[in-house]
Amino acid sequence: GQQLNQSPQSMFIQEGEDVSMNCTSSSIFNTWLWYKQDPGEGPVLLIALYKAGELTSNGRLTAQFGITRKDSFLNISASIPSDVGIYFCAGRSGANSKLTFGKGITLSVRP
Amino acid sequence: DSGVTQTPKHLITATGQRVTLRCSPRSGDLSVYWYQQSLDQGLQFLIQYYNGEERAKGNILERFSAQQFPDLHSELNLSSLELGDSALYFCASSVGVLSHEQYFGPGTRLTVT
Repeated sequence: GQQLNQSPQSMFIQEGEDVSMNCTSSSIFNTWLWYKQDPGEGPVLLIALYKAGELTSNGRLTAQFGITRKDSFLNISASIPSDVGIYFCAGRSGANSKLTFGKGITLSVRP
Repeated sequence: DSGVTQTPKHLITATGQRVTLRCSPRSGDLSVYWYQQSLDQGLQFLIQYYNGEERAKGNILERFSAQQFPDLHSELNLSSLELGDSALYFCASSVGVLSHEQYFGPGTRLTVT
């Protein structure tokens, strides 16, 4: 089946640093979503992307829909302690309403 | 707060038992999705209902079933529970049947002992 690859599994950065994550697939997606999950909570939608090449920002977060439609990137600028959590990418292809999720990247921010 | 509610928050039960998890979608949302999240498998899509009808099926075991009621709340029934069923179970909702943006509830943590 379709798979989304996120690596590394964990990232450690210093407060104030920028961080970039990517998500790749062997198949084409026509929608990319980025979610953040805090401990003990459900995933929260951060950014949704609908068009190849699209670049969308949400505060300090910027995400891009790769032009090959097989990848997406999430950038967090000037990280703060509350950015800690698990970041999931999700994609959807064709008319199938099923979202496929990556396994997530756990972000730690050192003060 | 996403507007999606799930009960109970925690559930501890024994192998072989049956449990029911409940979800109320955001006001106005017609689609409900169920996901299972375990440490090694990540978020796995189980099943989707739209306006009371099953719409899409993922990796849902035969021991599991779900339904969506006329008031749009949904229940996920897990039976003949096994240790490996211990996981977080999330419900998400969206406006339409093919809506891209899904909003997640806080989850139910199921522990099977």
